[in-house]
Amino acid sequence: AQTVTQSQPEMSVQEAETVTLSCTYDTSESDYYLFWYKQPPSRQMILVIRQEAYKQQNATENRFSVNFQKAAKSFSLKISDSQLGDAAMYFCAYRYNAGNMLTFGGGTRLMVKP
Amino acid sequence: DSGVTQTPKHLITATGQRVTLRCSPRSGDLSVYWYQQSLDQGLQFLIQYYNGEERAKGNILERFSAQQFPDLHSELNLSSLELGDSALYFCASSPWTGGAYETQYFGPGTRLLVL
Repeated sequence: AQTVTQSQPEMSVQEAETVTLSCTYDTSESDYYLFWYKQPPSRQMILVIRQEAYKQQNATENRFSVNFQKAAKSFSLKISDSQLGDAAMYFCAYRYNAGNMLTFGGGTRLMVKP
Repeated sequence: DSGVTQTPKHLITATGQRVTLRCSPRSGDLSVYWYQQSLDQGLQFLIQYYNGEERAKGNILERFSAQQFPDLHSELNLSSLELGDSALYFCASSPWTGGAYETQYFGPGTRLLVL
């Protein structure tokens, strides 16, 4: 079974600084998708960024980028120029390409200090 | 706004009762997924429907059931409720694209409190 691990329960960053959230996963598949979701205090799950395993280029969405290391099964999220609105729980998720369900990590709570 | 709607937003009920949670997927999405988020279990996949048919089952209790209707909305039925069923229940939807399911977009969730 696939597992997703987020080893940092909490992280904090100063406003305007850069922070990296870690995620590792375990799978025997070669084709899959990885996601980062943000859950602010409203509890809404918001898609931040997505990475296809067959693509070597790291995904980027504005201030959010990932460092995808397929051999190491690592998928970290970098947030640049952190803003107060980035404060939230961040969940890493895995989906097997031909499968249906998302498997989530335990989450990292990000605090942004003004 | 993801385009996925869920009702009700909040639900308070007693142990032993039965409740129904409703989800309307994004326009054009054929797949609906249900997830449970609780303090002790984290985010868990419950069940998936595609165009009215059940496609995948996760850690869904026998007391729970779901269905997807011809208009593609879905309902999650929770019966014989226990205190431990208190959680945030999410619905997500995704389109069907070239044989592979695409990104799942989540609704705002239904917060269930069982007293």
